[in-house]
Parts: sequence; structure tokens; C-alpha cells
Amino acid sequence: GAVVSQHPSRVICKSGTSVKIECRSLDFQATTMFWYRQFPKQSLMLMATSNEGSKATYEQGVEKDKFLINHASLTLSTLTVTSAHPEDSSFYICSALGFLAYEQYFGPGTRLTVT
Amino acid sequence: GQQLNQSPQSMFIQEGEDVSMNCTSSSIFNTWLWYKQDPGEGPVLLIALYKAGELTSNGRLTAQFGITRKDSFLNISASIPSDVGIYFCAGQLTGGSQGNLIFGKGTKLSVKP
Repeated sequence: GAVVSQHPSRVICKSGTSVKIECRSLDFQATTMFWYRQFPKQSLMLMATSNEGSKATYEQGVEKDKFLINHASLTLSTLTVTSAHPEDSSFYICSALGFLAYEQYFGPGTRLTVT
Repeated sequence: GQQLNQSPQSMFIQEGEDVSMNCTSSSIFNTWLWYKQDPGEGPVLLIALYKAGELTSNGRLTAQFGITRKDSFLNISASIPSDVGIYFCAGQLTGGSQGNLIFGKGTKLSVKP
């Protein structure tokens, strides 16, 4: 149980285009999901908390108009990187809050490369 | 912001050796979690701790929630090559937003066969 998937696993896009990343909880419902960004050899940096049916809560320094989050159902949250630039290249990981409300289950991550 | 101090930063050990890593903070946590991350993958939950003093095992892994609620350790016994990866501690602050975790910087484990 508690499986989280992400799609795509890898994406390469050109500067100025937008990219959508999907995060799905496969065998449980998740009212809360989280989006992280991870730079090489570094820890996870929380970008935003995604709540089903309401607006996402963004961490300080994260541009909400650039990183659009939609949590339209109890099993799906999406992150759209708008007008991507090379500095947006990173490993993006989502997680979903499990039944016990303190355990986060992570997706496998999405490697974004902006050329 | 709040920080977790995780140590050591990296470890190089021989297969069969035991491993110990820990996380400390100046703040009080009500939950400690330990994750393992393989290259190019998302973190996988290993052990979750909810009570001060709690000692929990998962196979060769054992983790404890410190009595002061400001620290936790993870031990791996009889290490094997597949233990290689980065181990992260994560904690939920007392009074923090539900589910929001603070992560340590990770301990990179290398195991020599």
C-alpha cells in the first residue's frame, strides 16, 4: 500500500515552454500532497503544500505564478512549470500524506531538463 | 528556519559492519521518520517513530526517538551492498503544520563488498 506515482519520469523541454508533472496516489486517497525540489547532492526543498479542493500553500521564495499547482481530486496533484528556464532544471519529487497523517510517501521523482 | 543536523555526512564501510547515524535539533519534534533514497529515485520510508523513547526495528534497521524529543538515531546491522544510498531523517515539529516535515541533509552510505 501507499504507492505514489509520478509522470513523466524524465522530461526535456525548451526554454519558454511549460511542463506539467503529475503526482498520483495509487491505492489511497490523499487530501494533502507536497512538492519538493532536489538539487544534486542536496536534501529535499519543500516548494509547496497541495490541498485537495483549495489553493496550494507555497514556501517562501517559491513563485506561485511560475509553479502552478492543482489538486483537483483526492488522488491527483499536478505541478506545471511555466515558461521554463534552464535554472528550473532539477529533480522534482512529490509526496502524499498517508493514513496516519504524519507519514509522507514519495513518488519516484521527475527529472526536468530545460535546454 | 528550523534545522536538523544529520551526521555523519557520509560513511564508507565494509560489508558486514554495523552503521549508525543520527539527527539532532534544538527544537522538539513529535514525529521522526527515516527515509532512504537511491540515485534518481524518490525517498522510501524506512521507519516512523511517534513517541519519545520509542525503539522500532525494520529488519536490520533500528531507529529510536530520543527521550528529549530533539534527536533520533538509525542503526543498520550487518550492512550489505544494497544498503548503499542516501539516508534522510525527517521530523514533524511540535505545533507545526500537519504533515509538514523538516529534512536533514542526508547521510551518504557507501558499502565496500
